[in-house]
Amino acid sequence: GAVVSQHPSWVICKSGTSVKIECRSLDFQATTMFWYRQFPKQSLMLMATSNEGSKATYEQGVEKDKFLINHASLTLSTLTVTSAHPEDSSFYICSARATESSGANVLTFGAGSRLTVL
Amino acid sequence: GENVEQHPSTLSVQEGDSAVIKCTYSDSASNYFPWYKQELGKRPQLIIDIRSNVGEKKDQRIAVTLNKTAKHFSLHITETQPEDSAVYFCAASFSGGYNKLIFGAGTRLAVHP
Repeated sequence: GAVVSQHPSWVICKSGTSVKIECRSLDFQATTMFWYRQFPKQSLMLMATSNEGSKATYEQGVEKDKFLINHASLTLSTLTVTSAHPEDSSFYICSARATESSGANVLTFGAGSRLTVL
Repeated sequence: GENVEQHPSTLSVQEGDSAVIKCTYSDSASNYFPWYKQELGKRPQLIIDIRSNVGEKKDQRIAVTLNKTAKHFSLHITETQPEDSAVYFCAASFSGGYNKLIFGAGTRLAVHP
């Protein structure tokens, strides 16, 4: 089946620094990827839709200058948390839509990246 | 707006019993409804999904039903086992460009031996 690789799996950084998270579709091309954020014991909140070759579409309330998204190729999307602060500490999960042999489009998730900002 | 409501937030059952989780969605144009299982510290895993052209789908002990008129869909797990214990999320696709998925708040299922 479709595999989505996300890196790093966990990162600790100092307040004020920037952190980049990569999301790769390993065996399929993904023109669209989605970035979610999940706080402990809470649901997945959609942050933005990442589109290959164009600007990302952000959900209401998500700061585009804070969470920079780049989808430079059909297999890679990156999320950069700029000037990170402790309140940005969270579990960030990317996902990509793959087309199965049945023709159905299924959303596959990466393993997630746990960010801790000190 | 785009909204998915999920109930209950927690569910505790005895092994062998059935478990039912219910979700409602706001957009009548939504046409794809997946269910994900997430174990602690792991990524969500798709367990079953249903599209708006069918009313029910079953896969072994798991089934999903969809009522488009009521904008309501449910997950049914029969003969529950301890390994079914996890957080379950429903989701609905929302129209407008990329069919993004909006998730429900999740249901923490505990199956007791």
